[in-house]
Amino acid sequence: GESVGLHLPTLSVQEGDNSIINCAYSNSASDYFIWYKQESGKGPQFIIDIRSNMDKRQGQRVTVLLNKTVKHLSLQIAATQPGDSAVYFCAENIGNSWGKLQFGAGTQVVVTP
Amino acid sequence: GAVVSQHPSWVICKSGTSVKIECRSLDFQATTMFWYRQFPKQSLMLMATSNEGSKATYEQGVEKDKFLINHASLTLSTLTVTSAHPEDSSFYICSARGLAGESDTQYFGPGTRLTVL
Repeated sequence: GESVGLHLPTLSVQEGDNSIINCAYSNSASDYFIWYKQESGKGPQFIIDIRSNMDKRQGQRVTVLLNKTVKHLSLQIAATQPGDSAVYFCAENIGNSWGKLQFGAGTQVVVTP
Repeated sequence: GAVVSQHPSWVICKSGTSVKIECRSLDFQATTMFWYRQFPKQSLMLMATSNEGSKATYEQGVEKDKFLINHASLTLSTLTVTSAHPEDSSFYICSARGLAGESDTQYFGPGTRLTVL
């Protein structure tokens, strides 16, 4: 079936470098995408979102890029810090009015000093 | 920002007993809440959608008689795991959907760790 998937299950980044986390989606009806950060033993924390009528959105130290042509979503974290170490999930709203989300597999980001 | 709480944060119970988990939206009203379960090192799996004042909608493969959901008010949804067994041990997470600015963002609770002995 259609699903959201991630290319890299684990990403090791040196402190201060930029991180790029990728996500592929296959449902062309998806119109809303969100990135969440989950620390161990905690619930997901909203980072940034983007609608399908946009291709880029920036937040504080984070940027989300959406390429609908190739159905690709990415999260860029600038100047990665130790506190950024976590699992990052992309999620897509599969076009329903209830707001049901389908989550990707997740990427573990490890920030090294 | 919007805050969602869950209670309890962790619970240990004996096999065969029932456990109730509460999910509350603290500073906004949520007409829709969602329940997920998450196994270690895995992603979140949606179990059901809870709409205030109506029956919950369960995802395929989720037993509605085992996972009872009640959404009695705009700020509270409960998940009851009935006759719990060790395979029900998991991290249960709720989310609440509220209209915040331009986004229909889902805000997640901190999760409840259920261990069934």
